[in-house]
Amino acid sequence: GQNIDQPTEMTATEGAIVQINCTYQTSGFNGLFWYQQHAGEAPTFLSYNVLDGLEEKGRFSSFLSRSKGYSYLLLKELQMKDSASYLCALSGNTGKLIFGQGTTLQVKP
Amino acid sequence: EAQVTQNPRYLITVTGKKLTVTCSQNMNHEYMSWYRQDPGLGLRQIYYSMNVEVTDKGDVPEGYKVSRKEKRNFPLILESPSPNQTSLYFCASTDNPGQRYNEQFFGPGTRLTVL
Repeated sequence: GQNIDQPTEMTATEGAIVQINCTYQTSGFNGLFWYQQHAGEAPTFLSYNVLDGLEEKGRFSSFLSRSKGYSYLLLKELQMKDSASYLCALSGNTGKLIFGQGTTLQVKP
Repeated sequence: EAQVTQNPRYLITVTGKKLTVTCSQNMNHEYMSWYRQDPGLGLRQIYYSMNVEVTDKGDVPEGYKVSRKEKRNFPLILESPSPNQTSLYFCASTDNPGQRYNEQFFGPGTRLTVL
């Protein structure tokens, strides 16, 4: 099976840095995606990790450790518009995405 | 513009009245998929299609049907909707899911309420 765990909610302050963790138990996967989803809208792609290590894209970075079953999404210089849900998802050979429940991030002034 | 479209965006219906939610993509993607999203449960796959005339069940297929007669279209059919199918539905597509990097593009979502 593929259990994916994320914190349900997080709160952070505008301008700060926040780390959203994702842990999983699985027998194998192609890669790990992070999606952002504003309430009632479609998920939009943020980052993808296939190898262990850090992937950086502007204010967003994502890290993967396959041996530890662990990933995180790092958001820097938080802005109010970053208030959203962040979804961790594993991808397999059939194209299927297995999603975690998502972490709702609230950015406060 | 490359996109996935869904219709309708919002639908309120009654138990037992057959309905179809359409999904279309203009990116010539082989793979298409339907997900439903419910509070506390996240996104769960309903059905997927690897190519024309090839469909398969996802994690929660009960009460749903799909068809893939053309590459661009992947409608979701609820033959006899029930209140537990009230949910937010997303269609998604990607190119060659067997590749390691297979970002899925999501439609805008269809909010369905079954009374």
